[in-house]
Amino acid sequence: ETGVTQTPRHLVMGMTNKKSLKCEQHLGHNAMYWYKQSAKKPLELMFVYSLEERVENNSVPSRFSPECPNSSHLFLHLHTLQPEDSALYLCASSQDAGSGIEDTQYFGPGTRLTVL
Amino acid sequence: RKEVEQDPGPFNVPEGATVAFNCTYSNSASQSFFWYRQDCRKEPKLLMSVYSSGNEDGRFTAQLNRASQYISLLIRDSKLSDSATYLCVVNLPTGANNLFFGTGTRLTVIP
Repeated sequence: ETGVTQTPRHLVMGMTNKKSLKCEQHLGHNAMYWYKQSAKKPLELMFVYSLEERVENNSVPSRFSPECPNSSHLFLHLHTLQPEDSALYLCASSQDAGSGIEDTQYFGPGTRLTVL
Repeated sequence: RKEVEQDPGPFNVPEGATVAFNCTYSNSASQSFFWYRQDCRKEPKLLMSVYSSGNEDGRFTAQLNRASQYISLLIRDSKLSDSATYLCVVNLPTGANNLFFGTGTRLTVIP
């Protein structure tokens, strides 16, 4: 399935590094999301973009910086991360950023991030 | 209180068994409901949306009880390939498409 793709699939970085995660959706959707999934915790919504505008930021530390240059691409720029930021970072997209069943979210395969 | 609560399991059932998962949600204003399935080290995938009147898709049946604020998933005739974590997901009308996920219920179907 190639509806939502993410690169890289795995990333190991030091606390002083700067890296970026990339997400691309091929579904013609207007909304894109970043989630964090840590071990034994539910998925946590980080950011929501609708038509390239950020519409939600769930109190995410500034060391995570999202960018949405167009409705098909979403980036998460990382800098000075902490070991507790190690997690699976999932991108998702939906037709629109509404709350109805028609705006079902579809997930990419995720980037497994390890911060040393 | 968590927005969405699920029994984490694990549920270990033999092939062919019927298994049911329940999930409760705390916000009565929740608008839409889903079950997602997540295989080990993979992304969540939509299993089914949950409609007010209940809905069925093959061996899977989802029910919604708004008065008691719970959602259920019934799997009949379990297959080995049903082994996964099942995530209960609730969409709150708090701004943009704001999904709240349960921690998931782990199912293992045993030969």
